[in-house]
Amino acid sequence: AQSVTQLDSQVPVFEEAPVELRCNYSSSVSVYLFWYVQYPNQGLQLLLKYLSGSTLVESINGFEAEFNKSQTSFHLRKPSVHISDTAEYFCAVSPRGGNTPLVFGKGTRLSVIA
Amino acid sequence: DTEVTQTPKHLVMGMTNKKSLKCEQHMGHRAMYWYKQKAKKPPELMFVYSYEKLSINESVPSRFSPECPNSSLLNLHLHALQPEDSALYLCASSQDPTLDRWYGYTFGSGTRLTVV
Repeated sequence: AQSVTQLDSQVPVFEEAPVELRCNYSSSVSVYLFWYVQYPNQGLQLLLKYLSGSTLVESINGFEAEFNKSQTSFHLRKPSVHISDTAEYFCAVSPRGGNTPLVFGKGTRLSVIA
Repeated sequence: DTEVTQTPKHLVMGMTNKKSLKCEQHMGHRAMYWYKQKAKKPPELMFVYSYEKLSINESVPSRFSPECPNSSLLNLHLHALQPEDSALYLCASSQDPTLDRWYGYTFGSGTRLTVV
């Protein structure tokens, strides 16, 4: 079975500062990894995903995440945050080629302070 | 079309009412999912449909009844709900997860349900 740990439930950060949201996973098989973002009163939007290939993946709005197999991590980073990045961020994992549904972490609330 | 559409966006129902939530996608996805999300919590899986057949039921009470009439449509029928069932109900779809090229889930914007 897979599991996901998001180590920080809340991360406050000042505008234009860098941020890292941590995600570690546990799995006995190879996995796909995802970051979803949920803005207040909205559904989940896919932010970025690691399926294969380059371990560094980027989103269109400046976020990036790096798959580290040895540390079983998929941390999310942004060099300079904006007020509009305030949201809940969920890390999720799914086994490759399996029929097991996506498993979510508990989420990290990113609050950007002006 | 790259979206999952959920209707209604908001629903208030009494404990004796019967209502339905609707989810539609036209991406050719053959797996569809219902999730329940309480405030400040991650989504919790309720049901999975694969090729229009129910493949996973996460021990959901029978007052929630899913239905998949065709490959594009997923319904969640609600009857005799309790106030604690108030939550955001999210639908998602994906390609067959067993395929080599799988891109994850596409979520709808959800139905915010209030049971009074």
